Amino acid sequence: DAKTTQPPSMDCAEGRAANLPCNHSTISGNEYVYWYRQIHSQGPQYIIHGLKNNETNEMASLIITEDRKSSTLILPHATLRDTAVYYCIVRVMSTSWGKLQFGAGTQVVVTP
Amino acid sequence: DVKVTQSSRYLVKRTGEKVFLECVQDMDHENMFWYRQDPGLGLRLIYFSYDVKMKEKGDIPEGYSVSREKKERFSLILESASTNQTSMYLCASETGGAGETQYFGPGTRLLVL
Repeated sequence: DAKTTQPPSMDCAEGRAANLPCNHSTISGNEYVYWYRQIHSQGPQYIIHGLKNNETNEMASLIITEDRKSSTLILPHATLRDTAVYYCIVRVMSTSWGKLQFGAGTQVVVTP
Repeated sequence: DVKVTQSSRYLVKRTGEKVFLECVQDMDHENMFWYRQDPGLGLRLIYFSYDVKMKEKGDIPEGYSVSREKKERFSLILESASTNQTSMYLCASETGGAGETQYFGPGTRLLVL
């Protein structure tokens, strides 16, 4: 599986958009980009995923560059409850299953 | 909403005890996974199961076994707990196939004394 690079931490003001970058320059054509987050001492929570096109759901938007070498997760209106570690993962799905490999992630702190 | 539940949030056991961690999912998912998460080591796959009674070893299966007698339930067994098995244990489930999503349970924080 391709590796990802994320900044170790970032701060965001409550109510503002949070833009979380992720580099995955060695991504293959059959690898999806997934985003999860983990609030302290809880299980990881799925946020969004995509292959080539930009995606949006009720939690966030995912912008993937045309060359697929990087992506950005956008939390449109950050709240204090969005404080968590955010993980960007690329995951091969060439078989019927694929394990998840979490890196160090980005610690996001939302401040009032 | 997908729901994955784990039998305990916190567990304290003694060295040598047999430990059972249970995971239940309510979405009829084929695939279920057990991971452990340790600071600085990220998430590591212990075992996964793709069907009832079917299992495959992950990256770190030593010291663990699993059981899947029913589709919704996947159990992780520590045959003889050791202190190096102190960790956060995470269960996940998914429908098999490209582009599918793994959903996690809340985790069990196990302390082996």
